[in-house]
Amino acid sequence: AQKITQTQPGMFVQEKEAVTLDCTYDTSDPSYGLFWYKQPSSGEMIFLIYQGSYDQQNATEGRYSLNFQKARKSANLVISASQLGDSAMYFCAMREAGTALIFGKGTTLSVSS
Amino acid sequence: EAQVTQNPRYLITVTGKKLTVTCSQNMNHEYMSWYRQDPGLGLRQIYYSMNVEVTDKGDVPEGYKVSRKEKRNFPLILESPSPNQTSLYFCASRVGGVTNEQFFGPGTRLTVL
Repeated sequence: AQKITQTQPGMFVQEKEAVTLDCTYDTSDPSYGLFWYKQPSSGEMIFLIYQGSYDQQNATEGRYSLNFQKARKSANLVISASQLGDSAMYFCAMREAGTALIFGKGTTLSVSS
Repeated sequence: EAQVTQNPRYLITVTGKKLTVTCSQNMNHEYMSWYRQDPGLGLRQIYYSMNVEVTDKGDVPEGYKVSRKEKRNFPLILESPSPNQTSLYFCASRVGGVTNEQFFGPGTRLTVL
């Protein structure tokens, strides 16, 4: 069974609009971390934001916020005020204690002017 | 500058010709990993290492070898490459713990003819 599910292969948004990229996860470990990475067309992996399973508040980093709903096991990435440079592939990932980082299959975001 | 470096960045080779992709990090990280990225499949872990002389298989280890003789280096070896190993490869490193960010190298695009 997939541990990280990203159900949106592609998303389209206009500049300055907000967009939500979905991510659900599956774990029975009480201690885990959730990560989002951005991969532009140039190929590098860029860390965006992290949420710990025990964190009480949703993580935020600039225009990125993570909508963490623990009971639903979802960790959606919200990008506010989209920019053309946000066009990229976005990966959700999870790490349980003592294990590797497991990635979803990614969502391609296209931002148009 | 803290970084993970990989070489070569691009490689075209032929079936059966042994090759090594080098990976080095200058952050004194204990954990190092190799991933491959294929369209529609996200990143899948090949091998990982928790410290010097400690390595273990990831999700897709077949056809690959690794070694960790020094903390900073974690080469990926393909003894007899095959076309199904054509992929984008990433090396990554991090300190221990659930919460810590994983730093990625720039990627190596390998084509096996």
